[in-house]
Amino acid sequence: DAKTTQPPSMDCAEGRAANLPCNHSTISGNEYVYWYRQIHSQGPQYIIHGLKNNETNEMASLIITEDRKSSTLILPHATLRDTAVYYCIVRPRFTGTASKLTFGTGTRLQVTL
Amino acid sequence: GAGVSQSPRYKVAKRGQDVALRCDPISGHVSLFWYQQALGQGPEFLTYFQNEAQLDKSGLPSDRFFAERPEGSVSTLKIQRTQQEDSAVYLCAISKGVTSDAQETQYFGPGTRLLVL
Repeated sequence: DAKTTQPPSMDCAEGRAANLPCNHSTISGNEYVYWYRQIHSQGPQYIIHGLKNNETNEMASLIITEDRKSSTLILPHATLRDTAVYYCIVRPRFTGTASKLTFGTGTRLQVTL
Repeated sequence: GAGVSQSPRYKVAKRGQDVALRCDPISGHVSLFWYQQALGQGPEFLTYFQNEAQLDKSGLPSDRFFAERPEGSVSTLKIQRTQQEDSAVYLCAISKGVTSDAQETQYFGPGTRLLVL
């Protein structure tokens, strides 16, 4: 599976957009980019995923570069409740059996007043 | 997480003691995963069930770790003769289908925090 690289920590002011980068330079054509987050003392929470095109849902937007070697997760109006560790995960599209998630160490996002 | 409960939420064990951790998913979810999360690290895969069949146990760190899902619903992760290095959060995740397509999203439970003294 492709390895991902994320900054260990970021700060964001409440109400501003939080832009979390992820590098996945060895991604292959059949691998998805997934984002999860983990709020303190909770299990990881699915945010969004994409293959080639940009994606948006009620939680966030995912921007994937044309060469697919990097992506950015955008939280348009960060709130204190968005303080969490954000994980960028590359996941093979089809496998012979279960497609497990391979987490790195993620980015710790601190949203401040 | 949506439809996954885990118990106990916290467990303190003495070194050498056996422990059993339970994952109780809502019905209709074929796939069930166990992950281990050490302090300050991301979760790491332990094992995977498709219904009652354990199809992948490549992540289990030793033969002291054993998982089962006998009726394809509730799953139990058992750790025998616990060691201090087993201290971690143990997470259960489920997905509806047979996760051969990465479009299948995994939903996580709150985890069990195990501390071995």
